[in-house]
Amino acid sequence: GENVEQHPSTLSVQEGDSAVIKCTYSDSASNYFPWYKQELGKRPQLIIDIRSNVGEKKDQRIAVTLNKTAKHFSLHITETQPEDSAVYFCAASMEPWGNKLVFGAGTILRVKS
Amino acid sequence: GAVVSQHPSRVICKSGTSVKIECRSLDFQATTMFWYRQFPKQSLMLMATSNEGSKATYEQGVEKDKFLINHASLTLSTLTVTSAHPEDSSFYICSARQGVNYGYTFGSGTRLTVV
Repeated sequence: GENVEQHPSTLSVQEGDSAVIKCTYSDSASNYFPWYKQELGKRPQLIIDIRSNVGEKKDQRIAVTLNKTAKHFSLHITETQPEDSAVYFCAASMEPWGNKLVFGAGTILRVKS
Repeated sequence: GAVVSQHPSRVICKSGTSVKIECRSLDFQATTMFWYRQFPKQSLMLMATSNEGSKATYEQGVEKDKFLINHASLTLSTLTVTSAHPEDSSFYICSARQGVNYGYTFGSGTRLTVV
């Protein structure tokens, strides 16, 4: 089955700096890659997603890049703010066949002010 | 937007008892529900996938007789933890999907503590 690896496990940045989180996946059939932000004790919130027919997607300060050949995708957060501090999870699924998300281990992002 | 309501948010139960967790899709029909377990500082681990009206598909290593999943209607799925033990203490989260062209909507989670 699919295996998703995520790095780093923790990331500390200064407010205003950029943060990059990277994930690799094992199954080349995976074609949907969402990113979630989770605050302590809360539900995961979708922040951005990308499908395998595009290489990059951007939404204000957040962007995701996908390299299908290398089977990795990355989350980029620019101009980080203290409220960006949370745990971020990447995930992968095969649409429409697999229909289930496999999550990475998560990255604790701390933005220091 | 799509909303999934999950109850209870917190529950404490004694060892050996059973606990039922409910997830309801409030404004859409959830053809598929997913149940996850999340231990502290760890990722979401998929336990099972259920489609309305059919038996749930459990992930490897998840005991189907211990974690009973019912998805009797398009808006309601339940997870019952039977004969709970302290090692079952965890954060349980459901996720619902209207169909393959729709996103995944998460419930707010249930913190289960077995004493």
